[in-house]
Amino acid sequence: NAGVMQNPRHLVRRRGQEARLRCSPVKGHSHVYWYRQLPEEGLKFMVYLQKENIIDESGMPKERFSAEFPKEGPSILRIQQVVRGDSAAYFCASSSGGGHSGNTIYFGEGSWLTVV
Amino acid sequence: AQRVTQPEKLLSVFKGAPVELKCNYSYSGSPELFWYVQYSRQRLQLLLRHISRESIKGFTADLNKGETSFHLKKPFAQEEDSAMYYCALQGGTSYGKLTFGQGTILTVHP
Repeated sequence: NAGVMQNPRHLVRRRGQEARLRCSPVKGHSHVYWYRQLPEEGLKFMVYLQKENIIDESGMPKERFSAEFPKEGPSILRIQQVVRGDSAAYFCASSSGGGHSGNTIYFGEGSWLTVV
Repeated sequence: AQRVTQPEKLLSVFKGAPVELKCNYSYSGSPELFWYVQYSRQRLQLLLRHISRESIKGFTADLNKGETSFHLKKPFAQEEDSAMYYCALQGGTSYGKLTFGQGTILTVHP
């Protein structure tokens, strides 16, 4: 069990470019969550996805951010036209069920995005 | 609204000393509380959850609903306990939507 795998671990983008962050959940997990950690702040929930469905995107900025979890392949967090304020660590997590008692949520090592 | 507060950003103790990392929460229903640990830019690892009432690596945490607290305690700190600790809350049926505190960096000196 390789755990939640995120790549790239570090990504540098110029303002206006696109950033794509990938997340492969724990094998067999169909629930994926993305969190963002801004400098000097705690992790904040962004979006919850199941295979091919967005369940809750209440923490996603309304513009430029999107997420998907296709039937095949990793979950992708996409940030278009990045700005300096997008610089943060983005953590992906997965669980086998919906995160209720008994379903542990496992986190990846994070992807650090730097916008220059 | 859900909120988790970890009042101490930094906490330093000496090896063998007791340690307590504070966590207070705000939630109107019955929350599920967790402590996660992150060692030096590694992945967050679940340390313990209040519902299982277990002790991991010598750490314990008791949910005090009256004081809305879930402080993390260890009687004798070890150097390898140095890490970032996050308290997190999951409210009701909101699946994996965790609300995190800002974290406390624990440093255990030899």
